[in-house]
Amino acid sequence: AQSVTQLGSHVSVSEGALVLLRCNYSSSVPPYLFWYVQYPNQGLQLLLKYTTGATLVKGINGFEAEFKKSETSFHLTKPSAHMSDAAEYFCAVSGANTDKLIFGTGTRLQVFP
Amino acid sequence: DSGVTQTPKHLITATGQRVTLRCSPRSGDLSVYWYQQSLDQGLQFLIQYYNGEERAKGNILERFSAQQFPDLHSELNLSSLELGDSALYFCASSVRSVADHEQYFGPGTRLTVT
Repeated sequence: AQSVTQLGSHVSVSEGALVLLRCNYSSSVPPYLFWYVQYPNQGLQLLLKYTTGATLVKGINGFEAEFKKSETSFHLTKPSAHMSDAAEYFCAVSGANTDKLIFGTGTRLQVFP
Repeated sequence: DSGVTQTPKHLITATGQRVTLRCSPRSGDLSVYWYQQSLDQGLQFLIQYYNGEERAKGNILERFSAQQFPDLHSELNLSSLELGDSALYFCASSVRSVADHEQYFGPGTRLTVT
C-alpha cells in the first residue's frame, strides 16, 4: 500500500526565510509524487510533480522538491518565503497500479512579516 | 481557474436527506475523481470514473454513489446523510487514467449536514 507522511502540521517562517516542508512516502512500486497547495476557500492547485527522470523538480511560484529514493523523501523547498505563500500544502503519491492520489495530512504554512 | 467546475458551492441540508453534487471536468479530460476533505479524515479518495466507466473505488460509503454521463460530467449522490458527512467534496479531472498525469481540482462543494 502507498502512503505519505508529512512531518509538522504547522510551519511558521519569516518573510524572506527558507521554506522547508517535509514529506516521506511509502510505496512498493516506483512512486509518482506531487505537491499541491490549497489557499483558503479554494481547491487544490498543483505545485509540482515527480514522475521519472531528474530528481530535482521545479514548480510554480519558486518552489522545488527533490526526490530522494534512499531516504524515501520528497521535501518541498523555497529559498525565500513571501506572504502570499501562506496556505496549506499537501504531499500526495500515486503509483504504477493506480492513478488515485493518496494525500498526506497537510502542512499549514504561516509567513510572518 | 483550473477549468473544473463544481456546483453548488455550498449545500446545507438535514440528516437523512439526499443531495447531488455536480462536476464538469476540464475540456478534453476523460477521467473524473471525487475526493472528500474533512477535519478528522483529511483528504480521501472516494471514486474515479473514466470515459463513463467506474475505474477505481476508495473509501466510499455504500450510501454514496456516483456516475459519469456521456458528456463526461459527473454527479456524486449522497443519501441518508449523517452529521459526519459534513465535509468539502472535491472533484478533479485528468486527461487520461494514468498515474503520472496531474489532476486538476475544482473549487469544491461544502456540504453541511445539520
